[in-house]
Amino acid sequence: GAVVSQHPSRVICKSGTSVKIECRSLDFQATTMFWYRQFPKQSLMLMATSNEGSKATYEQGVEKDKFLINHASLTLSTLTVTSAHPEDSSFYICSARAWNYGYTFGSGTRLTVV
Amino acid sequence: TQLLEQSPQFLSIQEGENLTVYCNSSSVFSSLQWYRQEPGEGPVLLVTVVTGGEVKKLKRLTFQFGDARKDSSLHITAAQTGDTGLYLCAGQGGSEKLVFGKGTKLTVNP
Repeated sequence: GAVVSQHPSRVICKSGTSVKIECRSLDFQATTMFWYRQFPKQSLMLMATSNEGSKATYEQGVEKDKFLINHASLTLSTLTVTSAHPEDSSFYICSARAWNYGYTFGSGTRLTVV
Repeated sequence: TQLLEQSPQFLSIQEGENLTVYCNSSSVFSSLQWYRQEPGEGPVLLVTVVTGGEVKKLKRLTFQFGDARKDSSLHITAAQTGDTGLYLCAGQGGSEKLVFGKGTKLTVNP
């Protein structure tokens, strides 16, 4: 079955630094990748949609300069949280989609900004 | 904006009991998916329903898609402690984006 690998699973960083999260589709080519944010005991909130080779489309209220998304290939998308602050601490989840695989989610990244 | 109202938000039952989780919307979805999420993990797909009136069974779990493709339900028969988790419904409308319900936190007590 389709597998999406997300790294790191946990990261702690200092306030003001940047953190990069990787999302890879291991056995299929993802035409579209999605990035979500999930607060404790809440559902997933879509942050942005990215297609290979084009700029990401951000949801309303999501700062594109703070959450940089790069979809460099059909198997890799990265989310960089720039100048992180404690309020950026959250659980970030990626999802990849191919026409014949539906949606597959990564295992998530727990970001803690101290 | 498409919204999915999921209920109940929290459910605590005893092992062996039955339960139903609902997802409702005023919008029509081309497909609706149910996921289960464990703490600290990403959602795992349980089922996708695409046809109005469709019923799918996965062991003790029964999923139904409304005739008008605006609502769905998940019924668990004889719940087990291993069923504990966060259940999420997600609908796909006219775009590739998934619209998620707020989730149902299910706790099955021994």
